[in-house]
Amino acid sequence: DAMVIQNPRYQVTQFGKPVTLSCSQTLNHNVMYWYQQKSSQAPKLLFHYYDKDFNNEADTPDNFQSRRPNTSFCFLDIRSPGLGDAAMYLCATSRDSRRETQYFGPGTRLLVL
Amino acid sequence: GENVEQHPSTLSVQEGDSAVIKCTYSDSASNYFPWYKQELGKGPQLIIDIRSNVGEKKDQRIAVTLNKTAKHFSLHITETQPEDSAVYFCAAQYNFNKFYFGSGTKLNVKP
Repeated sequence: DAMVIQNPRYQVTQFGKPVTLSCSQTLNHNVMYWYQQKSSQAPKLLFHYYDKDFNNEADTPDNFQSRRPNTSFCFLDIRSPGLGDAAMYLCATSRDSRRETQYFGPGTRLLVL
Repeated sequence: GENVEQHPSTLSVQEGDSAVIKCTYSDSASNYFPWYKQELGKGPQLIIDIRSNVGEKKDQRIAVTLNKTAKHFSLHITETQPEDSAVYFCAAQYNFNKFYFGSGTKLNVKP
């Protein structure tokens, strides 16, 4: 059974056109993360939520925003996608924080035309 | 800040041989170290993890060792099979909620 679900799996958008990626989880985990992964690179943390508390990484561009309306769902909004934002976007969850396993979703591949 | 170095970047082995991937970390406060396997077009999947109060952990053909004094940890895969071919990432937890990832190792198991 899927535990971390990401939709869509593939997303094509135009340069500058806002796009939203979604993530849902059935694990009832407190923490949800968004990562950006470019080809042949390690995942890069963009931000995470601990419950409703939002934590932004210092080097995450302002172009990236996130919403977590409830425990199960988290959204990644890219306000004005550029060509450099084409990547795999990974959602992950963990039950709590300290020494807890992260569970990743299958990712959304974003293409910017 | 924390830094995780992972070697080698690519590893090619013959089916049935062993594969070893090594990582070093810099933050002595890190105490949780997962390993992920990522197949093409998929998200990373946890394959094994180790916590700092343990020196070694084994799960069938996969084992992880941790040397906290030297700040390094390693993934060992024995009796490799073609389906083990993937990219493997090590990670170290830091700062309560976050993980630093290594740069990844592309493992190719030749039949």
